[in-house]
Amino acid sequence: AQTVTQSQPEMSVQEAETVTLSCTYDTSESNYYLFWYKQPPSRQMILVIRQEAYKQQNATENRFSVNFQKAAKSFSLKISDSQLGDTAMYFCAFMKQGGGNKLVFGAGTILRVKS
Amino acid sequence: KAGVTQTPRYLIKTRGQQVTLSCSPISGHRSVSWYQQTPGQGLQFLFEYFSETQRNKGNFPGRFSGRQFSNSRSEMNVSTLELGDSALYLCASSSGQGGNIQYFGAGTRLSVL
Repeated sequence: AQTVTQSQPEMSVQEAETVTLSCTYDTSESNYYLFWYKQPPSRQMILVIRQEAYKQQNATENRFSVNFQKAAKSFSLKISDSQLGDTAMYFCAFMKQGGGNKLVFGAGTILRVKS
Repeated sequence: KAGVTQTPRYLIKTRGQQVTLSCSPISGHRSVSWYQQTPGQGLQFLFEYFSETQRNKGNFPGRFSGRQFSNSRSEMNVSTLELGDSALYLCASSSGQGGNIQYFGAGTRLSVL
């Protein structure tokens, strides 16, 4: 079975600064996908970024980028130029390749962006 | 394109009752997954349906069941409700076989009294 661990229950960052959220996972699979999802207060979950394990290049989406270390089973999210709208719960998630659409989530990190 | 629609948004039930939640996926999406979100257990996978067949199932008791219709709409049923079933139930749809992005609905907040 796969497990996803997010060791930071809460974090805060000043507007315009950079913050990194940590995620580690445990799996015996070779091929899989990793995701970061964002759940703003009282709003629905949206995808932030997706990484395919076979790709060595780290995924980026505008101000969001990941540091994917396959050997270390680490998948951290870096948010640059933080904005107030980034305040949300962030979930790291794992999906096995060939296993359908089943996401295994970490416990989440609450990120608060302060002005 | 319309997003994932879940109805109802809020439900209040009493112990022992049963409840049915509905999820309409994004047009063209054939996969629908259900998740339970609680403060104590976090986000847990319930089951996934693809082309009307259950493809994956999480570790939940048989009181939790689901189905998918030919138009890809899905329903989730919980029978003999328990207090611990109080949760936000999220539905997510995806276009393909697996590994694709899942798009989430706003959820159904179920309170069991």
